[in-house]
Amino acid sequence: SQQGEEDPQALSIQEGENATMNCSYKTSINNLQWYRQNSGRGLVHLILIRSNEREKHSGRLRVTLDTSKKSSSLLITASRAADTASYFCATGGGASYDKVIFGPGTSLSVIP
Amino acid sequence: DTEVTQTPKHLVMGMTNKKSLKCEQHMGHRAMYWYKQKAKKPPELMFVYSYEKLSINESVPSRFSPECPNSSLLNLHLHALQPEDSALYLCASMGGRINTEAFFGQGTRLTVV
Repeated sequence: SQQGEEDPQALSIQEGENATMNCSYKTSINNLQWYRQNSGRGLVHLILIRSNEREKHSGRLRVTLDTSKKSSSLLITASRAADTASYFCATGGGASYDKVIFGPGTSLSVIP
Repeated sequence: DTEVTQTPKHLVMGMTNKKSLKCEQHMGHRAMYWYKQKAKKPPELMFVYSYEKLSINESVPSRFSPECPNSSLLNLHLHALQPEDSALYLCASMGGRINTEAFFGQGTRLTVV
């Protein structure tokens, strides 16, 4: 099963620019998480935002959550070439809080 | 130790073979997961174990058989697979609290020939 959509599917920016990725989901959630994946290997957790939170920051990352619109955004500021990766949102909770379902992802390329 | 370890890293198997994927974590996490990921697609949930019991099976074909021998180990037994089952298989674990993140292994790249 797959949760919602991510927008854009692919994003190419210059180093130093900001990157914004959006995620929509369909069901009720306890939390929404963002992960990064390099070169088709393991996923690295970036940030988790609870359903009762609206915004969260971690270093160069800023995540927003709008539960009324069932959507979230991830902003990466001052991007670096090392940020090149695929980014996925994942929803946790709902009918079963063990169920972590991923969105389709955004492929980010940061050009040096 | 915040690692989830998966073995092997790569596996090539024939359609008549039986093989197993292994996953191990020593973080005391109570939930363990198997995901399947095809190229340029998101991870797709297969199974979830909670406290060593199978809690979620996302209608996975019976040629995939999960097993949780203890709280640290998770296996995925493979039998009579098809070439379309070739994918990256990811294991993850999650702690007992609500609103906590999942930790992923580096995956097993499976090729069925």
